[in-house]
Amino acid sequence: NAGVTQTPKFQVLKTGQSMTLQCAQDMNHEYMSWYRQDPGMGLRLIHYSVGAGITDQGEVPNGYNVSRSTTEDFPLRLLSAAPSQTSVYFCASSYGGSGNTIYFGEGSWLTVV
Amino acid sequence: AQSVTQPDIHITVSEGASLELRCNYSYGATPYLFWYVQSPGQGLQLLLKYFSGDTLVQGIKGFEAEFKRSQSSFNLRKPSVHWSDAAEYFCAVLNTGFQKLVFGTGTRLLVSP
Repeated sequence: NAGVTQTPKFQVLKTGQSMTLQCAQDMNHEYMSWYRQDPGMGLRLIHYSVGAGITDQGEVPNGYNVSRSTTEDFPLRLLSAAPSQTSVYFCASSYGGSGNTIYFGEGSWLTVV
Repeated sequence: AQSVTQPDIHITVSEGASLELRCNYSYGATPYLFWYVQSPGQGLQLLLKYFSGDTLVQGIKGFEAEFKRSQSSFNLRKPSVHWSDAAEYFCAVLNTGFQKLVFGTGTRLLVSP
């Protein structure tokens, strides 16, 4: 049972480069989301999806794009990386409703130089 | 809007001493509350969660938390801290409509010999 799989785990980018953080889950979860974690700020929601084809912005969406073409995958795209996007990124998934467990990936450490 | 406050950025506790980490939340409806722990360089691990019922919730690793609606609090406790408990702890409240978590800024626990 793979759960939520994030790749890559570590990445160094140059300013202005683009890249995609991959997130896949094998639990048929409707809901998926991306968070970023920065020192002293906890985790903040970037984008989320309530099902295939449906996405919406979270608290800190600027500089990021997402799409949800399948139930399993929810990639996060950085179109033109900036040093301010140096962070740890977590993908999460769950079923809808209350009482359900939210599953997190192991995180992706991104450095933009 | 939902929010979570963890008023203590750092806490130092002697090994074997008791621990209480504070968490206050703001949420319009019945809150669904979580505590996560993160060791350095690692992902998030769910310690415990409160959805309904008994306001004293037992979790893993000997942790417990008490939900107090009148105080809008969900404090985490452990009767005897071990050196391996040194980590960062995050409290979070769930927006059930979209399965979005709102996190506090975290409390870093240091354990002294």
